[in-house]
Amino acid sequence: SQTIHQWPATLVQPVGSPLSLECTVEGTSNPNLYWYRQAAGRGLQLLFYSVGIGQISSEVPQNLSASRPQDRQFILSSKKLLLSDSGFYLCAWSKGVGIAGELFFGEGSRLTVL
Amino acid sequence: GQQLNQSPQSMFIQEGEDVSMNCTSSSIFNTWLWYKQDPGEGPVLLIALYKAGELTSNGRLTAQFGITRKDSFLNISASIPSDVGIYFCAGQSRGSQGNLIFGKGTKLSVKP
Repeated sequence: SQTIHQWPATLVQPVGSPLSLECTVEGTSNPNLYWYRQAAGRGLQLLFYSVGIGQISSEVPQNLSASRPQDRQFILSSKKLLLSDSGFYLCAWSKGVGIAGELFFGEGSRLTVL
Repeated sequence: GQQLNQSPQSMFIQEGEDVSMNCTSSSIFNTWLWYKQDPGEGPVLLIALYKAGELTSNGRLTAQFGITRKDSFLNISASIPSDVGIYFCAGQSRGSQGNLIFGKGTKLSVKP
């Protein structure tokens, strides 16, 4: 069966510090991978998605970036965090393009920027 | 861009009551999905719908894909305290590259 994990689960970072959130998927190959942000317990905002290694599409311009160095690994990064980057970040995967887009989410990473 | 209107935003109900929530869209979707999110966790898929008119159940949950393909509803029968959480609808349209559009959620509170 497929599993998805992301870490760290919680982190507190000062403004201006870098960020790296990691997500891995097991039990499937060539998944679509996604990063969402959720603010204030509501509303899922799609940040990035990837249909393959090295292929990243950005939905919202911001100071965050994403990378996919391996088929089942997706990383969310920032060089300098802003206060507004605080939120609950969710990684998700789905089967490839052309297949009904059921999304499966990770456990989430809560980021607080102080 | 495409948007989903999900209602109600929140519900406070008594244990044992039935619950109904819905989502509407201005455009046609090929897939409707319903998720539940517990506090501090990622959303979990409850029901997936792929055909207009389709009615699907998962335990006490029932969801329908509207005939017009622009709406969907989720019913929960005989609610229990563990039904508490935020319920999201999500839709996928042709040409969206598989990306889902999410509603803003319905926050359900259940009084024992």
